[in-house]
Amino acid sequence: KQEVTQIPAALSVPEGENLVLNCSFTDSAIYNLQWFRQDPGKGLTSLLLIQSSQREQTSGRLNASLDKSSGRSTLYIAASQPGDSATYLCAVASYNTDKLIFGTGTRLQVFP
Amino acid sequence: GAGVSQSPSNKVTEKGKDVELRCDPISGHTALYWYRQSLGQGLEFLIYFQGNSAPDKSGLPSDRFSAERTGGSVSTLTIQRTQQEDSAVYLCASSKRGGNGEQFFGPGTRLTVL
Repeated sequence: KQEVTQIPAALSVPEGENLVLNCSFTDSAIYNLQWFRQDPGKGLTSLLLIQSSQREQTSGRLNASLDKSSGRSTLYIAASQPGDSATYLCAVASYNTDKLIFGTGTRLQVFP
Repeated sequence: GAGVSQSPSNKVTEKGKDVELRCDPISGHTALYWYRQSLGQGLEFLIYFQGNSAPDKSGLPSDRFSAERTGGSVSTLTIQRTQQEDSAVYLCASSKRGGNGEQFFGPGTRLTVL
């Protein structure tokens, strides 16, 4: 059974810092991995999708990497801003299912 | 273009009542998913549609939960005889194709069962 873990559970940093959010999964037979952002009381916004054949994806200040063999992904946020404050979720899609399995999230606060 | 929409945004109901939650996927997306987000349980998969068929219903927690999709578009999630433990945010997502395509989520319906 696929299990997804995110570390840390919460993170508070000053504006301008570069930071790394971690996601690990137990079954390496994944089809893809998605990173989402969730603002309080809102739905999920897709940030980056990494296919299993890819090593990383970049969008603006965000960079996500994938090491399938070790069951790890990281989301790197450069030059963090207060507007980045949200909960970040990673989710994996396994080859044998069509559903996403979500991690428990990292709650990020960036203060001015 | 328009994203995934869900209605109502909030629903408060009394224990024992039936509720219907609606999801309008992105136009042209053939795959539709329902998830539930509750305190202490995180985000859980409920059901997956490909067109009007539901090849994976494995996440539905009990037979009080059912869902249908018509015309390959709108989907309705129905909860009968609601219980307090059904209180959660119900999220719908769609993707251009099944088979683990990128999923796009709606804003959710917050259900509160008194």
